[in-house]
Amino acid sequence: DGGITQSPKYLFRKEGQNVTLSCEQNLNHDAMYWYRQDPGQGLRLIYYSQIVNDFQKGDIAEGYSVSREKKESFPLTVTSAQKNPTAFYLCASSIVEGGEAFFGQGTRLTVV
Amino acid sequence: GQQVMQIPQYQHVQEGEDFTTYCNSSTTLSNIQWYKQRPGGHPVFLIQLVKSGEVKKQKRLTFQFGEAKKNSSLHITATQTTDVGTYFCAVTGGSNYKLTFGKGTLLTVNP
Repeated sequence: DGGITQSPKYLFRKEGQNVTLSCEQNLNHDAMYWYRQDPGQGLRLIYYSQIVNDFQKGDIAEGYSVSREKKESFPLTVTSAQKNPTAFYLCASSIVEGGEAFFGQGTRLTVV
Repeated sequence: GQQVMQIPQYQHVQEGEDFTTYCNSSTTLSNIQWYKQRPGGHPVFLIQLVKSGEVKKQKRLTFQFGEAKKNSSLHITATQTTDVGTYFCAVTGGSNYKLTFGKGTLLTVNP
């Protein structure tokens, strides 16, 4: 079954802890993206990657880090430096950068 | 980065009424995409428009790209309860090919 898998669906962490969100795709897509969604804010781009071992900051990269060591995987780390980390995080991929995006189911992160 | 304004933010209609959401940019767009996100779900691609003045239809949905490639609209004829959700436009433009989303229009339908 082809697609994008995000895990876990719900995640709870204590303030001050780093947390890594998983995103795996078997669509053989080159481009991958991380978005953050808050109520009334739409989708805001955190990081994106066009190719393995390369990635660029999006509009709200502060407090986040990523890696792209494999084509299929694009994990996102929410660091303790992120001021307001509680949100819905969506991972997406596309054949080419800026092409039709396929989204995972999302991870709802709650930091208490 | 590429900025896009989407209006209205919310729209509530009676079932059977029409619905339109608009996406506007101050700069020329390479293309525009539309997505639908059901409550509690993730965005799902609907369509991509590339050509100036392009009009595409999917059953009750009509998508338009402006002649100047700076605006687009999504029109739903005779809404149904299954149309409920948030509709987003997403754009790339100029030399920057990153995909940027509008804030979306939340559509609710009263049966």
